[in-house]
Amino acid sequence: GENVEQHPSTLSVQEGDSAVIKCTYSDSASNYFPWYKQELGKRPQLIIDIRSNVGEKKDQRIAVTLNKTAKHFSLHITETQPEDSAVYFCAANQPRSGGYQKVTFGTGTKLQVIP
Amino acid sequence: EAGVAQSPRYKIIEKRQSVAFWCNPISGHATLYWYQQILGQGPKLLIQFQNNGVVDDSQLPKDRFSAERLKGVDSTLKIQPAKLEDSAVYLCASSSDGRYNEQFFGPGTRLTVL
Repeated sequence: GENVEQHPSTLSVQEGDSAVIKCTYSDSASNYFPWYKQELGKRPQLIIDIRSNVGEKKDQRIAVTLNKTAKHFSLHITETQPEDSAVYFCAANQPRSGGYQKVTFGTGTKLQVIP
Repeated sequence: EAGVAQSPRYKIIEKRQSVAFWCNPISGHATLYWYQQILGQGPKLLIQFQNNGVVDDSQLPKDRFSAERLKGVDSTLKIQPAKLEDSAVYLCASSSDGRYNEQFFGPGTRLTVL
């Protein structure tokens, strides 16, 4: 089955600096890669996603890049702010017969933005 | 649009007791997921329903966990009997049909097994 590895497990940056979180996946059939942000005690929420036919996507201070050949994708946060402090999870979706998607999550990165 | 609802939000039980969690997905969402999230870890899929059928329960400890989704809407997850290592947050999520489907998560149920 699919295996998603995420690094680093913890990341501390100064406010205003950039943060990069990387994930690798094993199943070449994976075709959708969402990123979720989970604040302490709250539910995961989608912040950005990318499809397998796209190499990069940007939404204000957040961007995601995908390298299908190397099977890795990364989350980039620029001009970090204290409210960016949270745990970030990557995920990879694999299509399955029957029309459903199997979702595999990474292990999470705890981001701390120091004011 | 109402979000995914879960209850209870918190539950404390002793080991060997039984517990049940309830989830109401977003209206019209065909796919429903139950995840177990242990503190400091990512969500681990327990079971996935497509309408009222199970499409993936490969990581569900079937000797103690069971789940159902009657009529393809609400779902319940049961643990019987509970073990200490079952202490976790149980997240329910739903998504619509489609090739690229965002999951919407409920607030979760925090289970503590003493």
